[in-house]
Amino acid sequence: GNSVTQMEGPVTLSEEAFLTINCTYTATGYPSLFWYVQYPGEGLQLLLKATKADDKGSNKGFEATYRKETTSFHLEKGSVQVSDSAVYFCALSDSGAGAGSYQLTFGKGTKLSVIP
Amino acid sequence: NAGVMQNPRHLVRRRGQEARLRCSPMKGHSHVYWYRQLPEEGLKFMVYLQKENIIDESGMPKERFSAEFPKEGPSILRIQQVVRGDSAAYFCASSYSVSSYEQYFGPGTRLTVT
Repeated sequence: GNSVTQMEGPVTLSEEAFLTINCTYTATGYPSLFWYVQYPGEGLQLLLKATKADDKGSNKGFEATYRKETTSFHLEKGSVQVSDSAVYFCALSDSGAGAGSYQLTFGKGTKLSVIP
Repeated sequence: NAGVMQNPRHLVRRRGQEARLRCSPMKGHSHVYWYRQLPEEGLKFMVYLQKENIIDESGMPKERFSAEFPKEGPSILRIQQVVRGDSAAYFCASSYSVSSYEQYFGPGTRLTVT
């Protein structure tokens, strides 16, 4: 079946530091890949997505590239801010396994804390 | 435009009681999805509903769990005779059309079974 593995947290960084959160996946078809962010007390929000190999998703200074050869979709940001403190979830949808394409499969989430 | 609303945000039930979780989708959205996040796990798909119809309940436990999305009112996830293993965060998402790309999530309901 489908699965997503992302790096364990929590991650604590100083403001303006470089961020990488690793994400790898297992899927039977050709999945679409997503990063979601959850700020304290709020619902998950779609941060960025990529629908095919070599696509790069980007938003708010965050980037992730769909790497089919390494089955990875690592999240990066060059200079984090205190306001980026949140929980980040990597996810995929894959209709190749016979599941509906609406079904999202999530990683466990990585909590990021950015200190001034 | 209000986002997806879930209530209650926190719910404590004793073993054997019933839990009712409510989800009000975004205005104009007629597709609702429920996910569960067990401790130390990722969110897992439970059920997909449209107004008055269950489309896909493949991720929902066969016993004690049920879901509905009536013509009027919120979607309800109902858990009968709760057990400690039901303790989890339950998230609801909604979309305008069937989609994985445009699911908007609520803040979740954290259920604790004592």
